[in-house]
Formats: sequence, C-alpha cells, structure tokens
Amino acid sequence: DAGVIQSPRHEVTEMGQEVTLRCKPISGHDYLFWYRQTMMRGLELLIYFNNNVPIDDSGMPEDRFSAKMPNASFSTLKIQPSEPRDSAVYFCASRKTSYYGYTFGSGTRLTVV
Amino acid sequence: AQTVTQSQPEMSVQEAETVTLSCTYDTSENNYYLFWYKQPPSRQMILVIRQEAYKQQNATENRFSVNFQKAAKSFSLKISDSQLGDTAMYFCACHGSGNTGKLIFGQGTTLQVKP
Repeated sequence: DAGVIQSPRHEVTEMGQEVTLRCKPISGHDYLFWYRQTMMRGLELLIYFNNNVPIDDSGMPEDRFSAKMPNASFSTLKIQPSEPRDSAVYFCASRKTSYYGYTFGSGTRLTVV
Repeated sequence: AQTVTQSQPEMSVQEAETVTLSCTYDTSENNYYLFWYKQPPSRQMILVIRQEAYKQQNATENRFSVNFQKAAKSFSLKISDSQLGDTAMYFCACHGSGNTGKLIFGQGTTLQVKP
C-alpha cells in the first residue's frame, strides 16, 4: 500500500498563474478530501468527494478554486488565477466507508510570489 | 456543527517524562469519533490514536493513551516515556458518525521533547 500520493511536493508560482495539485487516494477508499493548512487558519476542509462525486464544497474559498475527481484513483485541485494569499500547504486525504480515520498524503507546499 | 479547541499552543517535556495535551470539543451528534494526529517537521499527518464515543474504555496505543471524559467533552492525550521523536505538532480532531460528516481539527499543540 503506497498510501495517499500527492504531487508536486513543492510548487512555486507567480501571481496570476494557474496551479494544479494532484492526488492519488488509497485504492479501495471511497472518500477523498482536500485540506488547506496555514498558520493563521490551521487545517481547513476545502471539499470532499464520495465515489468521485463532490459532496460538500462549502470550504472552497472562492471561484478561483476548483476540484475534480474524474475517477476513483485521481483528483485535482486547481487555482486559477493564483494569489499570494493562497500560499499554504495543501493536503489530500482519503478513507473508506465506516472507518473515520483519514490517511493523509504528504502535502503540497504552494508558494505564490 | 463541530468545534475542537486546543488551549495549549506550545508545550515542552523532558525526555522519558510524561506529558498530557488537552482538547475539548463540541458536537451535536449522538455518536462520533475522536482522534489525535501527529505532524512532525516532515509535515506528514500521522494518526496516533482513535476513540469511539460510545466506548467507555479509554484507547491506548503503546506509549499513547487518552483520557476521554464524555460528559465534559474532554479528550486529552497522554504520552508516556517521551522520546525525542515525539517532537511534533499534535492535532485533536472530531468526526461525526454519519457518512456526510467531516473531520474537524483543533488549532494544534506544538510539543518539544528536550534531551
């Protein structure tokens, strides 16, 4: 079991550019979550999917953020256009039904300059 | 809605000593799950221990144990025989039992284990 895999590990981009973060959940997990971690706001849930369907995106900060899950083994979080205040660590996590302990990926540290 | 509060931003402990991290929570759910996660400098989020609210017995995982006080909505983590590798940020989290629930985190406690 390779765990939850995120890429890239680090991303530095210029303000206004499009950024795409990627996640591969654990095989057999049917829930996938995107979190953002900052010093000021801690760990915030942005969006989650169940069986590839978005269930709750109330944490997505604004329309510049979008997430997709085209199949059970892949999800993306896109920011377009990016802004310096989007700088944070973005985590992907997954779990299977009826087990509430999430497995997290190693995160993507995004820096927008 | 759920809220999780960790009132100790930073703590330190001497190696081999015992330390307790505090957490309180609030939830309207009848059944729920509580967790402690560890985030070392590598930033990986690691599940340390899990407690089901309907179980009265406190969970234990090797040197890690919890004191779960349901009526007081308190869920503290005790680390015995602290090791240098325990240095990390620790997050308390709560999840409702329904499948539409979410894992909500506290603000975290930074623990420094000193040699």
